[in-house]
Amino acid sequence: QSVLTQPPSVSGAPGQRVTISCTGSTSNIGAGYDVNWYQQFPGTAPKLLIYGSSNRPSGVPDRFSGSRFGTSASLAITGLQAEDEADYYCHSYDRSLSGGVLFGGGTKLTVL
Amino acid sequence: EVQLVESGGGLVQPGRSLRLSCAASGFTFDDYAMHWVRQVPGKGLEWVSGISWSSDNIDYADSVMGRFTNSRDNAKKSLYLQMNSLRPEDTGIYYCVKDGLVGTRNWGFAYFDSWGQGTLVVVPS
Repeated sequence: QSVLTQPPSVSGAPGQRVTISCTGSTSNIGAGYDVNWYQQFPGTAPKLLIYGSSNRPSGVPDRFSGSRFGTSASLAITGLQAEDEADYYCHSYDRSLSGGVLFGGGTKLTVL
Repeated sequence: EVQLVESGGGLVQPGRSLRLSCAASGFTFDDYAMHWVRQVPGKGLEWVSGISWSSDNIDYADSVMGRFTNSRDNAKKSLYLQMNSLRPEDTGIYYCVKDGLVGTRNWGFAYFDSWGQGTLVVVPS
């Protein structure tokens, strides 16, 4: 069981805004560690979407944004498009774990 | 363009060994830490191991500690994962992943900015 908790699924209609939460604890997000987000389409490798909690790599549309607050983080997608339908994973560091790197369980985004 | 190409996956019996390789190009390999991340098809991501640019810091997930060895050859721009005493729960797609920060030696603020296409490892039960 992941120590970063994501909702298994979220959905929204085209054009809407959706958010995906990533809930951690005081040993990871709450300790000040950044959160990164990845997008994965079926049969392909994950792709970096947000790094350092709120930064977009070059080429990622500004419809995607990230934030971190307390022991949680959130990925927001505005102007939802059909092509956004994918799995989304958060990633952070936990100082209480061996190795420390952990992922959330993933969230399936469905565009209605 | 960054390219990471994994190889070495396959079907292997429980208790046996397998060595994965990752050939890197398109960036200064010895500037960056590298990681292995695995994924059971249809399931979530699991970090397996990370290695600093100079190999002076190597970390492992508890699930593979003592069985897997992560190494790199900067002259060959290659990353390796030696997997011993394989178990059915090691089945999955293994991705070679580039760290996004130059010179990282620990993973507190690491992020994974480039991923290979993955190589499938199957350990039957």
